[in-house]
Amino acid sequence: EADIYQTPRYLVIGTGKKITLECSQTMGHDKMYWYQQDPGMELHLIHYSYGVNSTEKGDLSSESTVSRIRTEHFPLTLESARPSHTSQYLCASSVGDTQYFGPGTRLTVL
Amino acid sequence: QKEVEQDPGPLSVPEGAIVSLNCTYSNSAFQYFMWYRQYSRKGPELLMYTYSSGNKEDGRFTAQVDKSSKYISLFIRDSQPSDSATYLCAMKTSYDKVIFGPGTSLSVIP
Repeated sequence: EADIYQTPRYLVIGTGKKITLECSQTMGHDKMYWYQQDPGMELHLIHYSYGVNSTEKGDLSSESTVSRIRTEHFPLTLESARPSHTSQYLCASSVGDTQYFGPGTRLTVL
Repeated sequence: QKEVEQDPGPLSVPEGAIVSLNCTYSNSAFQYFMWYRQYSRKGPELLMYTYSSGNKEDGRFTAQVDKSSKYISLFIRDSQPSDSATYLCAMKTSYDKVIFGPGTSLSVIP
C-alpha cells in the first residue's frame, strides 16, 4: 500500500472561507499531482510538481494554488471557497509511469 | 471528442462471471496503458500496466491492447464480490502526462 496521506478526508465549509488541503508522501517521490474528480467523470489534473520549488498548472483551470517547499509535502489552497469547488480532490505521487494516490478529500462548499 | 472514452456502465454481473471493460482513444501517440481500480471512498490503485500491443496476464486479470484499433480492454475471470469497484483506464505518450478515462463502475453480485 502506498504511503501517501491526505487530510482532511471530509470537509464541509461555507462560501468565502480559505482552506488548505494537505498531502504528504513518505516515498521520496519527486513528482506529485493534484486531481479533481467528480462522479462519473474522468480525473482532471489541476496542479503538478516535478520537485521542490517547481509547480505547474494542469489541464483543468483551477482557482487553487499549490506549493512545494519540501519533497514530501504538496498542499493545495483555495483562498475563497465557492460552491463550484465542491468535488473530490485526489493527491498522487509517482515514480516512472506509476502513480500512487492518496484516499482523497471530499470537499463540500455550502 | 474526448481523448479517452470508456464504457460508462454501471455493470452488474453475478459472481464467477467473466467481465470485459473497454476503452477507446483517439491519440495514436499513446504508448503506455494502465488500468486503475478505485474502491468507494478510496484513491485509485494501479492494477495493470502495459506498453505494447497484445495481452498481459496477472492472475485473474488480463489487459489487452490493440494499438491499430486504438482500443484497450481489461478482462476479469471468475469475478468476485471484492472486484466491485470503479475501473479507470489511463494512458500516456512518452513525454506527456497521464490521461484518465471516466471509469466504469462494476458490481459483482454474490
